[in-house]
Amino acid sequence: GQSLEQPSEVTAVEGAIVQINCTYQTSGFYGLSWYQQHDGGAPTFLSYNALDGLEETGRFSSFLSRSDSYGYLLLQELQMKDSASYFCAVRGFQKLVFGTGTRLLVSP
Amino acid sequence: SQTIHQWPATLVQPVGSPLSLECTVEGTSNPNLYWYRQAAGRGLQLLFYSVGIGQISSEVPQNLSASRPQDRQFILSSKKLLLSDSGFYLCAWIRDTTEAFFGQGTRLTVV
Repeated sequence: GQSLEQPSEVTAVEGAIVQINCTYQTSGFYGLSWYQQHDGGAPTFLSYNALDGLEETGRFSSFLSRSDSYGYLLLQELQMKDSASYFCAVRGFQKLVFGTGTRLLVSP
Repeated sequence: SQTIHQWPATLVQPVGSPLSLECTVEGTSNPNLYWYRQAAGRGLQLLFYSVGIGQISSEVPQNLSASRPQDRQFILSSKKLLLSDSGFYLCAWIRDTTEAFFGQGTRLTVV
């Protein structure tokens, strides 16, 4: 089976940089993805890593190390609207399993 | 473009009543479809997934069942709801094995 662990909560101030870590255990691995979910809404896709290294999409970057079963999401130039929950997810064969989620609180 | 529809948005049901949540996808064929449940402030728990018509895989034994009567339709059901069935139910499909698209979700409260 699959299991993913993330910190439950992270706090930061506007303009700062924050890193959200994700460690996973899986019997089959095709890639690690990240999703953002605002309160009351559905998750939306942010990024995907199939290979080791860093993927950059605007203010967001995602990193993967398959040998360490570890990845992280890096958010730069934080804005108030970034306050949300962030989930990593492992893509296994035919399944997408989500982590426990990290609640990010951005303060002025 | 592809879209995913899920309804209703909110639902209040008494304990012991039946449930039927429907999800349909437009703009794609033979999608892999998923049902997730999210308890308040918690992560997404995978309930069922389907890779084709009539093909259902269950992840967690429980009071729910799923069916896929048509290629782009996925239904979540229960014969008798329990209080513990309350939560936020999300339907999703995955494009190119990478990106998941979610419906708007159904917030179910069992009273």
